[in-house]
Amino acid sequence: GEDVEQSLFLSVREGDSSVINCTYTDSSSTYLYWYKQEPGAGLQLLTYIFSNMDMKQDQRLTVLLNKKDKHLSLRIADTQTGDSAIYFCAESMTGGGADGLTFGKGTHLIIQP
Amino acid sequence: DAGVTQSPTHLIKTRGQQVTLRCSPISGHKSVSWYQQVLGQGPQFIFQYYEKEERGRGNFPDRFSARQFPNYSSELNVNALLLGDSALYLCASSLALASYEQYFGPGTRLTVT
Repeated sequence: GEDVEQSLFLSVREGDSSVINCTYTDSSSTYLYWYKQEPGAGLQLLTYIFSNMDMKQDQRLTVLLNKKDKHLSLRIADTQTGDSAIYFCAESMTGGGADGLTFGKGTHLIIQP
Repeated sequence: DAGVTQSPTHLIKTRGQQVTLRCSPISGHKSVSWYQQVLGQGPQFIFQYYEKEERGRGNFPDRFSARQFPNYSSELNVNALLLGDSALYLCASSLALASYEQYFGPGTRLTVT
């Protein structure tokens, strides 16, 4: 079945860039997402990218997709303490339709002062 | 505008009991999906409903059921609760069946003792 993998922890200094990586196994994934979850909260949609794109930029966020290697990354520029959270990578064939979203286990982003 | 709302916030049940969780989607959204997030894991897809019909189902037992009402709100029911059903239950809404932007509510924390 489909699988999405992420490293569990990433520690960066405040002001540096954070790069969170994700790999997926389903080659028919059409939509790839990044969600953010703060303690005790639901998931916040950060950004998404279609499989026919290589890159998407949205303010401090840059998403890179290497479809050949099934690798997705999220770069957060000028990381701030408010960016401390769990970041989930997710994929879907139908854009969250009948197959739902398949999530990774999440990457805990830790910000050092 | 109000986001996705869920009730109750927290719930404690005993093994073997039944529970009903409620979700109201963002105004104008017609699709509701349910996810289970066990501590330390990413969310897992349970159901998707669109126009009051089940359109997708994840790998969950028949103890899990749901429905969607004419106003697009939804209920998730879980019968014969097991300890392993303890989790954060998340509801997500989207405009249509596969409109690729899913917005999550804050979740209901269910504890089964």
